[in-house]
Order: sequence, then structure tokens, then C-alpha cells
Amino acid sequence: AAGVIQSPRHLIKEKRETATLKCYPIPRHDTVYWYQQGPGQDPQFLISFYEKMQSDKGSIPDRFSAQQFSDYHSELNMSSLELGDSALYFCASSVRQGRGTEAFFGQGTRLTVV
Amino acid sequence: AQSVAQPEDQVNVAEGNPLTVKCTYSVSGNPYLFWYVQYPNRGLQFLLKYITGDNLVKGSYGFEAEFNKSQTSFHLKKPSALVSDSALYFCAVRDDTGGFKTIFGAGTRLFVKA
Repeated sequence: AAGVIQSPRHLIKEKRETATLKCYPIPRHDTVYWYQQGPGQDPQFLISFYEKMQSDKGSIPDRFSAQQFSDYHSELNMSSLELGDSALYFCASSVRQGRGTEAFFGQGTRLTVV
Repeated sequence: AQSVAQPEDQVNVAEGNPLTVKCTYSVSGNPYLFWYVQYPNRGLQFLLKYITGDNLVKGSYGFEAEFNKSQTSFHLKKPSALVSDSALYFCAVRDDTGGFKTIFGAGTRLFVKA
């Protein structure tokens, strides 16, 4: 079965650089979520999109932005990277049919800022 | 606001013994509860969910969870643990007033000893 695809899987950037993470949801899923998971921590919700519109916003820094495109894929843009941005970034997708639908997660992008 | 508590950082159990991973939640409205499992360097995998109906929910890999409204708990259980169950388990909650974002607990690491 098709799963959520994230690219790249690993990314190394220097401080103050920018990074773009991509997420391709499961076909026919219209909702995308972004999470940040620091070492040994639980996933922290960043932002979500439904039908290309932002639906919820969590603890996403102002340096980050995201969008969902017409083909439902999403990109997380991160600027002025800081060492503390080093984390595993997960994208998840779901079909928005009420709040009881589970999200399916991608393998994550491991971002290392040096 | 939604919140999830997993009171145990780690649970140790011998293979073949029953296991319980605890979760309590707090929501404003009706809860939608989920359990996910995470293996090293992997994304979160959905195990089971409670939306409505029977308080005992059965999920993947022989796991089940019991919803207890009066105790606001949703403990994960398995009658007979396997070494391969060793992983990080996250409880998550969404409610019917707080948008569509899913809030995760801090995670509980399960060690199953042979």
C-alpha cells in the first residue's frame, strides 16, 4: 500500500541556511500535518493543512513556513536555521472525515544543523 | 486545551507476560484517542483508536486498549508480550472542539525481555 513519502530522508545544513522539506501524502488524503521530534522527545505539532488551506497551527517558529499545493503535497520551508532546529521532522496525512480519522506518518526527515 | 500524560517513561516486561502502557488524557469535548508505536529511526505507526462505542478497542499486532471515561484513561494492553514489541509507544488525543491536530504524550519505552 502507498505510504507517506518524505524527502529528503537526511539533510545537513549550516546555521543561518535555509532548508525545504517535502511531503507527499497517501493518495486521496487531503490533510497534511507536520511534526517536529527532538531527540528523546514526543512529536510536537507544527502546522496542518486541509484542501490547501492552513487548518491548525501549533508551535511553528516564525522562521518556518509551509504550504500545501494543488496536488496535495506539502513543503516545510525553514530559514535562518539554528542548532536547536536539529530534529526529526515528520509529515503525516489523513482523510479529513471528522476528528476520528487516524494520521499516517512518513519515515521522517532527519535535519542536522551544524 | 488537549493534553496527554503517559506517567511511565519505561515499562519492562518479560516475554509471554501481559503488558500495560498507561495513558490519561484531558480534553474539552469528546475525546478521540489513538495509540502509535515508533521503532528506531522510523515514523509512527498507527496501532488503534477509540472514537465511540465499545470501551475495549482491538488493534494491530494483538494490542488492545481500554477506554475509561470516568478515569479519563486509555491504557494500552497486550495479553502476551513479544520481544519484537520493544519500541516507543505514544498515546495521542484529539477532541471535537480543538481542531484537527493530534496531541501526543511524551512516550513510553517498552522493553520486553526474552
